[in-house]
Amino acid sequence: SQKIEQNSEALNIQEGKTATLTCNYTNYSPAYLQWYRQDPGRGPVFLLLIRENEKEKRKERLKVTFDTTLKQSLFHITASQPADSATYLCALSKTGTGRRALTFGSGTRLQVQP
Amino acid sequence: DAGVIQSPRHEVTEMGQEVTLRCKPISGHDYLFWYRQTMMRGLELLIYFNNNVPIDDSGMPEDRFSAKMPNASFSTLKIQPSEPRDSAVYFCASSPGGARNTEAFFGQGTRLTVV
Repeated sequence: SQKIEQNSEALNIQEGKTATLTCNYTNYSPAYLQWYRQDPGRGPVFLLLIRENEKEKRKERLKVTFDTTLKQSLFHITASQPADSATYLCALSKTGTGRRALTFGSGTRLQVQP
Repeated sequence: DAGVIQSPRHEVTEMGQEVTLRCKPISGHDYLFWYRQTMMRGLELLIYFNNNVPIDDSGMPEDRFSAKMPNASFSTLKIQPSEPRDSAVYFCASSPGGARNTEAFFGQGTRLTVV
């Protein structure tokens, strides 16, 4: 069956360090992969999208990689700040009919200590 | 644009009652999604619409759940009768049309508690 795995344990890092979050998937051939941020009591907010034919995408302090052979995406936040503390969700598209629908991982909570 | 607007923000109801959740998508968006989030199961897609037409309702848990989109600016998710296990945060999201603009814009969610 299709499965998306994110580290369920919280990631604690010191301010200024690089945070790296992992998203692994099985039995998917996604056309694209997206990362979202979710704060408590709020809806997820889109951060970055990377397509199946792209290896890496950057936006300011954020970087996403996508390895369709390993079936893995890495999400990096450089020079992390306490304001980056949140839960980060990866989401994969389906293929074929219904590809606009996203399936989300369970998320990884990031805590950046000042 | 005010973003995706959901109402109510909180709903507490008794088991067996009918519950209706409402959503106003971002104007001009072609896709509307209903998700449910719980601690145990995470964020699950229930149903989505394209140009007001339901495309995939395979995530709707059972016949007690129904969703409608009578026009481009309004959608409802109805649970009848509600049960305690339906307690969750329900999110509505919308997305532009076109192959490249695939990000979803989420509302603030409706926290449903069925007692």
